[in-house]
Amino acid sequence: SQQGEEDPQALSIQEGENATMNCSYKTSINNLQWYRQNSGRGLVHLILIRSNEREKHSGRLRVTLDTSKKSSSLLITASRAADTASYFCATETGGSYIPTFGRGTSLIVHP
Amino acid sequence: ETGVTQTPRHLVMGMTNKKSLKCEQHLGHNAMYWYKQSAKKPLELMFVYNFKEQTENNSVPSRFSPECPNSSHLFLHLHTLQPEDSALYLCASSQDQANYGYTFGSGTRLTVV
Repeated sequence: SQQGEEDPQALSIQEGENATMNCSYKTSINNLQWYRQNSGRGLVHLILIRSNEREKHSGRLRVTLDTSKKSSSLLITASRAADTASYFCATETGGSYIPTFGRGTSLIVHP
Repeated sequence: ETGVTQTPRHLVMGMTNKKSLKCEQHLGHNAMYWYKQSAKKPLELMFVYNFKEQTENNSVPSRFSPECPNSSHLFLHLHTLQPEDSALYLCASSQDQANYGYTFGSGTRLTVV
């Protein structure tokens, strides 16, 4: 069954606003990864956060991980029209080093 | 370019055709993967190769046949496909199959008519 579930399914904001997406999962993880996918293209790896980490930053991206709640969030600050894409979380669990992907959050940033 | 190259970008084939998708990476990664992405569905893992050896086969129908001649190249051979096989097929690679994230190609958009 699907491990990661992103929320919301769709998000529409204005340029300059912050965008927050959440990911919930069911079983203990080794790490959680966030990816971006522009329409009809491949996925681009954004950030990997390990189970013993609580927060990571990369440029305008901030990822948090709460293992007690089995959830993660991706925050994009000062969004730009170019951030328009689908965002996926993927979890690696147990002895399987193959991440399982959710259905994604579709983000639209209006100029 | 991500370092993972997929060809062709688009493919239209009839149900009786045989075609192959190609994936190539020169990142020095030793694991390669095929994923299927259909509309409104999570990404589905199809095959995993680690050091050229197939380590995962996620109950994929035999009309999909993978081939990994070396750590840099991965093929997906297609024959007698069904219209429901129409999807975006993504290739990815990673280092050591753990903890470093995947690098994806741009995908092949397959339409079966």
